[in-house]
Amino acid sequence: SAVISQKPSRDICQRGTSLTIQCQVDSQVTMMFWYRQQPGQSLTLIATANQGSEATYESGFVIDKFPISRPNLTFSTLTVSNMSPEDSSIYLCSGGSAGAAYGYTFGSGTRLTVV
Amino acid sequence: GQQLNQSPQSMFIQEGEDVSMNCTSSSIFNTWLWYKQDPGEGPVLLIALYKAGELTSNGRLTAQFGITRKDSFLNISASIPSDVGIYFCAGQVGFGNEKLTFGTGTRLTIIP
Repeated sequence: SAVISQKPSRDICQRGTSLTIQCQVDSQVTMMFWYRQQPGQSLTLIATANQGSEATYESGFVIDKFPISRPNLTFSTLTVSNMSPEDSSIYLCSGGSAGAAYGYTFGSGTRLTVV
Repeated sequence: GQQLNQSPQSMFIQEGEDVSMNCTSSSIFNTWLWYKQDPGEGPVLLIALYKAGELTSNGRLTAQFGITRKDSFLNISASIPSDVGIYFCAGQVGFGNEKLTFGTGTRLTIIP
């Protein structure tokens, strides 16, 4: 299965600023996703990152707040824009190929604290 | 968004005990996955289930895909300290809808 690297692993940011998180996969994958995991909570899907086109966002998440890029089959970025303390969470990248028997692999996450 | 309901929310057991947890949904999923998350890490896939009624094992772990396709179960036999963590179920509709919906999680703690 694919190996996913995320960076930064953690960051402390000032409110009103933006942070871009990078996700690198060691092999080509058809599907890439971005999740948010608030403290002590489960994973909530932010969006599906589509290669070469606009991401598909879940209800409650918008492109202006969470712009996503996916220029190829191994790389994606998520930007958390105009941050507020409520954006403090772990952000996780996931990837895999549709229909694969091994499910989707996750990165180790980016722990974001907004002060 | 939709979440799957897992129970129990947390478990405190002694080493060597067996563990059972389940996951239920109001809608049908065609794939069920079980993940484990350790602190500071992303979830790691334990078992994937693709067919209603399927029973699959991975070492001391056994999972079942409910016959109604609205639930799944995970059992851990003879628990060991490294089993500590949070267990998540995840459902996938499939057939072109590949995204996963995650359960609320079961936190497993082993009492020395």
